[in-house]
Amino acid sequence: AQTVTQSQPEMSVQEAETVTLSCTYDTSESNYYLFWYKQPPSRQMILVIRQEAYKQQNATENRFSVNFQKAAKSFSLKISDSQLGDTAMYFCAFMKRLNAGGTSYGKLTFGQGTILTVHP
Amino acid sequence: GAGVSQSPRYKVAKRGQDVALRCDPISGHVSLFWYQQALGQGPEFLTYFQNEAQLDKSGLPSDRFFAERPEGSVSTLKIQRTQQEDSAVYLCASSLRTSGMGTGELFFGEGSRLTVL
Repeated sequence: AQTVTQSQPEMSVQEAETVTLSCTYDTSESNYYLFWYKQPPSRQMILVIRQEAYKQQNATENRFSVNFQKAAKSFSLKISDSQLGDTAMYFCAFMKRLNAGGTSYGKLTFGQGTILTVHP
Repeated sequence: GAGVSQSPRYKVAKRGQDVALRCDPISGHVSLFWYQQALGQGPEFLTYFQNEAQLDKSGLPSDRFFAERPEGSVSTLKIQRTQQEDSAVYLCASSLRTSGMGTGELFFGEGSRLTVL
């Protein structure tokens, strides 16, 4: 079984500054995907960024980037130029690949979440 | 609809009552998931449907929990004889495909918050 751990229950950052959210995971799988999801107070979970474990290059999406360290099983999220709209709960999630073809029906294992507050 | 729709948004039940939570996925989406999210925690997988077939129900916590998707679109999560520990937000998610899910193409609804008194 996989486990995902987010050790920071809460984080805060000033608007326009940079913040990094931590995530570690434990798995015996060699092929998998990692995700960061954002859940605002409205509760709708939104995908922020994804990383395929076989890719060494760190994923980036505009102001969001990850630091993926496969050997250390670490997957942190960096948010640059933080905005008030970034205030939300952030979840790290793991999904294993079921076969070499890369198929996976989408079962996610989530961490406990980090509440991020961006202050003006 | 444009997104995954869940109803009711809020449900208060007395202990022992049965409840039914509805999920209307994005039209044409083949895969449908239910997750349970306790207060302040991450969502936990309950069950997965591919069209009308329930292919994984390993996360259902007890036989009081039952899910169905009879026509491969709308799904209902039913909880019988509710207990206080069932209080949580129940999230539904859907996806267009059955494979290639590594792209993370899961679309979540806003959830149904169940409170059992």
